[in-house]
Amino acid sequence: EVQLVESGGGLVKPGGSLRLSCAASGFTFSSYSMNWVRQAPGKGLEWVSSISSSSSYIYYADSVKGRFTISRDNAKNSLYLQMNSLRAEDTAVYYCARGPLGYCSSGLCWFDPWGQGTLVTVSS
Amino acid sequence: QSVLTQPPSASGTPGQRVTISCSGSSSNIGSNTVNWYQQLPGTAPKLLIYSNNQRPSGVPDRFSGSKSGTSASLAISGLQSEDEADYYCAAWDDSLTGEVFGGGTKLTVL
Repeated sequence: EVQLVESGGGLVKPGGSLRLSCAASGFTFSSYSMNWVRQAPGKGLEWVSSISSSSSYIYYADSVKGRFTISRDNAKNSLYLQMNSLRAEDTAVYYCARGPLGYCSSGLCWFDPWGQGTLVTVSS
Repeated sequence: QSVLTQPPSASGTPGQRVTISCSGSSSNIGSNTVNWYQQLPGTAPKLLIYSNNQRPSGVPDRFSGSKSGTSASLAISGLQSEDEADYYCAAWDDSLTGEVFGGGTKLTVL
């Protein structure tokens, strides 16, 4: 069974940092692109970042560019999101989601499956 | 303000057919495929339709997707109470170099 389990969420002060992790199992992790998508409380979905299977292609939403860094360790079947300079508007549930084989790009990018999410709260 | 535009709400009675629209532009829906996600209350989103009209295994054929120009639609036929959920459209945006979502449509089964 394909499974994605996020961890690392919590309460952090504005300007602080947090590192999210996503443990993958049940599929050949090294062959698939991976993504982070967030959802602020009571709001819609917002794509955050995408990384290709070999880490060659990395994309970020403008709202997090320069502050967040996506990475992966294929030997550990794990995806990460390093979040720095956190702001109140970064408060959200962060989902890890598998993308297509290889990399996400125009015409070929969908998210399936999704993890259960981890809550990040940025507040003083 | 979401890049893709969806109606905030939709409703129907059991057995009815409902459609949810998604409007974009030439840089996203106009040049790339559309995906749809279903989010049941309190759960993570689930892929419902990919590449405009393809259903992942396990998704009932009551759900169908279509695309024309810079707009797309999700149709649900034979509406059931368990279809009550939030539905999101999404597409890659070539200008933003990333995936963009619609604001979501809350479907109520009356």
